Amino acid sequence: AQKVTQAQTEISVVEKEDVTLDCVYETRDTTYYLFWYKQPPSGELVFLIRRNSFDEQNEISGRYSWNFQKSTSSFNFTITASQVVDSAVYFCALSEGGNTDKLIFGTGTRLQVFP
Amino acid sequence: GAGVSQSPSNKVTEKGKDVELRCDPISGHTALYWYRQSLGQGLEFLIYFQGNSAPDKSGLPSDRFSAERTGGSVSTLTIQRTQQEDSAVYLCASSLRGLDYGYTFGSGTRLTVV
Repeated sequence: AQKVTQAQTEISVVEKEDVTLDCVYETRDTTYYLFWYKQPPSGELVFLIRRNSFDEQNEISGRYSWNFQKSTSSFNFTITASQVVDSAVYFCALSEGGNTDKLIFGTGTRLQVFP
Repeated sequence: GAGVSQSPSNKVTEKGKDVELRCDPISGHTALYWYRQSLGQGLEFLIYFQGNSAPDKSGLPSDRFSAERTGGSVSTLTIQRTQQEDSAVYLCASSLRGLDYGYTFGSGTRLTVV
């Protein structure tokens, strides 16, 4: 069965610190997608990244970077030089196989960045 | 519209009453999803519509829950005889074509059953 585990329930950092949010997944599918979403206090989930299972290249987008390692079934997310505006709940998600395009979400990690 | 619109944003209802939650997806998006987010939990899949195909209802928790999508656009999620455990944020998302383009989520409807 597909499963996404975000073991860190809550993380608090001080502005300008780097922080890594962990995501471990389980799937029997050979083809799948992994996602990260940000949910700020407003409640609306914001798409951050999609990675397919055949692309293990790490990705960097500004202060955000993602480390995908199939060998450990992990897709970790790092924010460099965190800012107060990064405070949000971050969700990792896995696509389920087949045609239904359902996403299996982790329980989220609440990140609080203090000034 | 520019984004996915959900209404109402907040709904308080008495146990046993029926409620309807509305989702207006981004124009042209063929796929529409409903998820439920309970306090401290991740997002739980409820139902998925893709074009004219039969919807995937495998996530609906009971027969009190139903959803329809009229004209391939607006969707309504109906909960009959609401229970306190139905209290959650109900999130709608749409996408141009399944996962290829990611989802765009609405701000959700916070449902409180008292």
